[in-house]
Amino acid sequence: GAVVSQHPSRVICKSGTSVKIECRSLDFQATTMFWYRQFPKQSLMLMATSNEGSKATYEQGVEKDKFLINHASLTLSTLTVTSAHPEDSSFYICSAYSVNYGYTFGSGTRLTVV
Amino acid sequence: GIQVEQSPPDLILQEGANSTLRCNFSDSVNNLQWFHQNPWGQLINLFYIPSGTKQNGRLSATTVATERYSLLYISSSQTTDSGVYFCAVWWGNTPLVFGKGTRLSVIA
Repeated sequence: GAVVSQHPSRVICKSGTSVKIECRSLDFQATTMFWYRQFPKQSLMLMATSNEGSKATYEQGVEKDKFLINHASLTLSTLTVTSAHPEDSSFYICSAYSVNYGYTFGSGTRLTVV
Repeated sequence: GIQVEQSPPDLILQEGANSTLRCNFSDSVNNLQWFHQNPWGQLINLFYIPSGTKQNGRLSATTVATERYSLLYISSSQTTDSGVYFCAVWWGNTPLVFGKGTRLSVIA
């Protein structure tokens, strides 16, 4: 089946620093990937749609300058949390779509900003 | 936009019991998936089921698109089935719309 790899799985960073999260589709090409954020005991909230070779589409209320998304190839999308603050601490999950399997999710990244 | 409602929100089962989880959606969709989020946060794809019935071991799912609902059946539940079950729908190439999930706890 379709596999999406997400790294790192867990990261702790200091306030003011930037953190990059990678999302790779391992056995299929994904022209579109999606980034979600999940707060404890809540559902997933779509942050942005990442399009290969073009700018990402951000959902309303998501700061594009804080959450930089780059989709440089058909198998890799990155989310960079810039100038991180404690309120950015959350669980971030990426997803990619394939025709045969629908949406497949990465294993998620738990970000803690101290 | 499309609204997705899942019921029940919480469910506690004795090991070995059966259960049915429900997902209602407000508009016509042509795609639906069920996911299980384990205690470590991993979202596992259970079924891609825009219509009809599918079975995989102790799990099965049925979607009746014309009536805008889907059901997930868990039989002979095990403690490893614990976690949150999400239903998500989409139309065409729009992003997924998730329900709020059903939090399942299976106790030995």
